[in-house]
Amino acid sequence: DAGITQSPRHKVTETGTPVTLRCHQTENHRYMYWYRQDPGHGLRLIHYSYGVKDTDKGEVSDGYSVSRSKTEDFLLTLESATSSQTSVYFCASGKASSGNTIYFGEGSWLTVV
Amino acid sequence: AQTVTQSQPEMSVQEAETVTLSCTYDTSENNYYLFWYKQPPSRQMILVIRQEAYKQQNATENRFSVNFQKAAKSFSLKISDSQLGDTAMYFCAFMKPRGVTGGGNKLTFGTGTQLKVEL
Repeated sequence: DAGITQSPRHKVTETGTPVTLRCHQTENHRYMYWYRQDPGHGLRLIHYSYGVKDTDKGEVSDGYSVSRSKTEDFLLTLESATSSQTSVYFCASGKASSGNTIYFGEGSWLTVV
Repeated sequence: AQTVTQSQPEMSVQEAETVTLSCTYDTSENNYYLFWYKQPPSRQMILVIRQEAYKQQNATENRFSVNFQKAAKSFSLKISDSQLGDTAMYFCAFMKPRGVTGGGNKLTFGTGTQLKVEL
C-alpha cells in the first residue's frame, strides 16, 4: 500500500472557524485527491491535483480550497466551517504508471458543532 | 459526466458461499478503468480489483473476480468462498484517464453495497 498519511485524524471544531486537513504521501505520486464520505452518497470528489500548483475542482468544491506546494503534500482548507461539512475526509494519491490505481489514506473525521 | 450505479444497498451471504455484487455505469468514453474498493468497519479504503476497458479478459484476484460487459456497461464483482473478513462496504468506481485536453484521472464512485457474511 502507498504511504499516505492524513492529519489530524479526528477534529471537532466550531461553526465559522477555519480548518486545514493535511495529506502527505511518500510515493512521489503525481495525482492527489480529497474526497468526502457521507451516508448514502459514497465518496464524492472535493478537489484534486495533477501536479504541483495544479489543482481543479471536483463535484462538491463549494466552501473548500486546496493547495499543493510540494509533490508530497496536499492541503484541504475549510475557510469557515459549517455543520454540513461534518464528514469523513479521505485523501488519495496515484500515478498513471501504477495503472491509474488510486490509493487512500485512513480518513479524517471532522465534526463541526 | 460519468455515473456509477450500485442498485443493491445491502446483501448477505453465508460463509463459504458465492455472492455477486452488481454495478452499472454510464459513459461515452471508450478508454477507461473500473475498480472495486472494499471498506471494512475500520473505514480504510482497500483496492480489491481493477479492470482496463480495453482488455476483454475479466480480471481476477484470488477469490475475487469480475464480469465486465462493456457493451452493457456492467461491472459485477463475484466473491467466491466468502469469509467473515469479507464483511464490508463495497464500492464500484469509474475512472477516465487524463488525456491531452486535461481532466480525467478522477474516480467516480457508486453509493456502495454493504455486504455481510454470516456463519
